[in-house]
Amino acid sequence: GAVVSQHPSRVICKSGTSVKIECRSLDFQATTMFWYRQFPKKSLMLMATSNEGSKATYEQGVEKDKFLINHASLTLSTLTVTSAHPEDSSFYICSATESPGYGYTFGSGTRLTVV
Amino acid sequence: RKEVEQDPGPFNVPEGATVAFNCTYSNSASQSFFWYRQDCRKEPKLLMSVYSSGNEDGRFTAQLNRASQYISLLIRDSKLSDSATYLCVVYGGATNKLIFGTGTLLAVQP
Repeated sequence: GAVVSQHPSRVICKSGTSVKIECRSLDFQATTMFWYRQFPKKSLMLMATSNEGSKATYEQGVEKDKFLINHASLTLSTLTVTSAHPEDSSFYICSATESPGYGYTFGSGTRLTVV
Repeated sequence: RKEVEQDPGPFNVPEGATVAFNCTYSNSASQSFFWYRQDCRKEPKLLMSVYSSGNEDGRFTAQLNRASQYISLLIRDSKLSDSATYLCVVYGGATNKLIFGTGTLLAVQP
């Protein structure tokens, strides 16, 4: 089956630093990748949708300059949290699909803690 | 009104019980429907897609009622390993987005 690899699984960083999270589709070409964040006991909230080779589409309220998304190839998307603050601490999950509406595979998530 | 609504639970049931989860969605143009399972501190994993004719996978049965914009999941003969949060997920068609419900927490007791 389709596999999505997400790294790192856990990261602790200091306030003001930047953190990059990678999401790779291992055995399929992901035309579209999604980035979500999830707070404890809450559902997944879509942050942005990225299509290979084009700019990401951000959801309302998500700062594009703070959460930089790059989808340079059909198998890799990255999310960079810039100038991280403690309130950015959350569980970030990527999802990838070869064809929207049919089969979404999730990465294992990245637990970010900003101290 | 939320785009996808679920009863958050928790549902506490004994082993062997039958439990049903319900979900409603607001966008009548939604095209695809899914149930995902999420274990604590893990990523969501696809449990099953939901088809208009209803579909069954072992102990799990999913139903879709487009007229009422309602989706259900029935779990028969609950196992301890079924304990998790069950997420109702709707694909928004033209918006190209997966919309998640808040999830329903199931705790199966021995």
